[in-house]
Amino acid sequence: QSVLTQPPSASGTPGQRVTISCSGSSSNIGTNPVHWYQQLPGTAPKLLIYVNNQRPSGVPDRFSGSESGTSASLAISGLQSEDEADYYCATWDDTLNGVIFGGGTKLTVL
Amino acid sequence: QVQLQESGPGLVKPSETLSLTCTVSGDSISSYDWSWIRQPPGKGLEWIGHIYYSGNTNYNPSLKSRVTMSLDTSKNQFSLKLSSVTAADTAVYYCARLGRNWADFEYWGQGTLVTVSS
Repeated sequence: QSVLTQPPSASGTPGQRVTISCSGSSSNIGTNPVHWYQQLPGTAPKLLIYVNNQRPSGVPDRFSGSESGTSASLAISGLQSEDEADYYCATWDDTLNGVIFGGGTKLTVL
Repeated sequence: QVQLQESGPGLVKPSETLSLTCTVSGDSISSYDWSWIRQPPGKGLEWIGHIYYSGNTNYNPSLKSRVTMSLDTSKNQFSLKLSSVTAADTAVYYCARLGRNWADFEYWGQGTLVTVSS
């Protein structure tokens, strides 16, 4: 069981807006920045959002991140079929003294 | 363009030591910090540890007693050793370049599947 809690699945139709939540605690999200990864089927994860809401070069602005208290969210607007992937949140945990990942959310584009 | 490539045996026997190498191109390993992450088949991501450009390390507490990471600056490579492996260590192993925020892995290798089986 992951220290960071994500819904196991999410879905939406093309063009819709979808959000994925990531719930933690004061020792992780409450203190340290959250990062999001996209893992397309059969490929390595890719950094999608870093430091809560920053997009690396090349990531479309359809992807956005937010953080409040001990929770964070990833939002995908204008959903596209190529967004179908697994999404993971990650941060540092001060109690465990290490990196923790959420359990992952499988996004299905209907 | 930064590229990372994992290499090593795809099959390891139980109780033996898993050894992997990550070869970096487009960057000097002396300029950045590096990490190993693994993913059991059909499951989520698990952080194994960081190795900093200084050579200092930080390991996942749950694996710490079995993990060793090192740098080889002459070959621009870094490596992972995981001892006393069991079937639970079967996973795709990724190497990655760490950003400035402790959990932001900016670049990833393609991953290599390591199976623990006799």
